[in-house]
Formats: sequence, structure tokens, C-alpha cells
Amino acid sequence: DAGVIQSPRHEVTEMGQEVTLRCKPISGHNSLFWYRQTMMRGLELLIYFNNNVPIDDSGMPEDRFSAKMPNASFSTLKIQPSEPRDSAVYFCASIPGLAGDETQYFGPGTRLLVL
Amino acid sequence: GESVGLHLPTLSVQEGDNSIINCAYSNSASDYFIWYKQESGKGPQFIIDIRSNMDKRQGQRVTVLLNKTVKHLSLQIAATQPGDSAVYFCAEMRGSYIPTFGRGTSLIVHP
Repeated sequence: DAGVIQSPRHEVTEMGQEVTLRCKPISGHNSLFWYRQTMMRGLELLIYFNNNVPIDDSGMPEDRFSAKMPNASFSTLKIQPSEPRDSAVYFCASIPGLAGDETQYFGPGTRLLVL
Repeated sequence: GESVGLHLPTLSVQEGDNSIINCAYSNSASDYFIWYKQESGKGPQFIIDIRSNMDKRQGQRVTVLLNKTVKHLSLQIAATQPGDSAVYFCAEMRGSYIPTFGRGTSLIVHP
């Protein structure tokens, strides 16, 4: 099993540009989470999906952020337009959704730098 | 323990020593707790978990202790090795799949 796959691993862009982060969860997992990690705020939950449906997006900072999960094996997090304060490491995680197993399996993250 | 601010709490130990990392959680109704390890440049990885009906659980070289009275969680690492150097997070959950993460503690193991 390849684990959770994220791309790109690193992204450097200029303020105002659109950024798209991608995630492939572990096959068979039915819930997917997007997190943002910074030194100031730690690990913050942005949004999570269950069976491809967004359940809670209260952590999405503002309308510039959007996330989609068109199918069970793919999700995107888009920032448009990007701002320097969006610089962070963005993690995707998935869980099996089985009773008694709430362990989150994290991807390697995308390190985003907005200049 | 956890703290708010720019700098993570740091624990420095010598190789071979035992390490104890502490975490104060916020919700007395939380019923499931997980410790994660995050190495530099990687995502958090599951280490060990414990449910609220237990006060101790052991894994390989790691032990988690839960004190619900004071809402305190600790992770004990026996015979700490350089490969244990990482940031350790506790997470609490209550009846859902959504964890609340602590700020983390940086463990530095000196050879």
C-alpha cells in the first residue's frame, strides 16, 4: 500500500496566483481530511469528507479556499487567489471508517510558499 | 506539556534514557486519545492510542497513561533512540472521527 499520496510536495508561487493541491487517499478509506500546519497555529483542520461528501468545512479560512472530492480516490484543495499568509504545510489524511479504527493516516504534505 | 506560542516545548534526553511527554487535553467528554509522531519533512504517524475506559496501554517501547481526573495524557518512551527525535502530538476525540490536536512537543535525543 502506497499510503496517502499528495502532490506537489513543494509549491512556490506568487501572490494572486491560483494554487491546487492534490490528494489520493488510501484505497478503501471512506473519509478524507485536509489540514494546514504552521508554527503559529499548529495543525488545523480545514475540511473533511465522508464518502466524498463534504461534512464540515468550518475550518476553511475564507472564500479563497475551496475543496472537492469528485470520487473516492481523489481530492483537491484550491486557493484562489493565494496570499503570503497561506504559506504553510498542507496535509491530507484518510481513515478507514471502520468501527473502532479512527486512526488518521497522513500524507507527506505539500509545503506551500506564497511570495 | 502543551503551550501556546511560537516555540514548541522541547524535551532533550540522552540516548538510552526514558522520555516522558505530557499533554493536557481540553474536553472532559473526550473518549479516545491518540499520540502521533512527526519527523521533519513528513506527516504525522500513529504511535499508540487509548480509550477513556482505560488508564494505561503499552506498545513496543511506548506506554500511554491517561488521567481523566486532571485531563492529562502522557507518552513514555523507553530506552530513547536517536530515531525517536521528532515532534509528538496528542489528539483527543469524542464520538466522531475529528481529532483535536495539541501543539506538540519536540523531542531531541542526543547520542
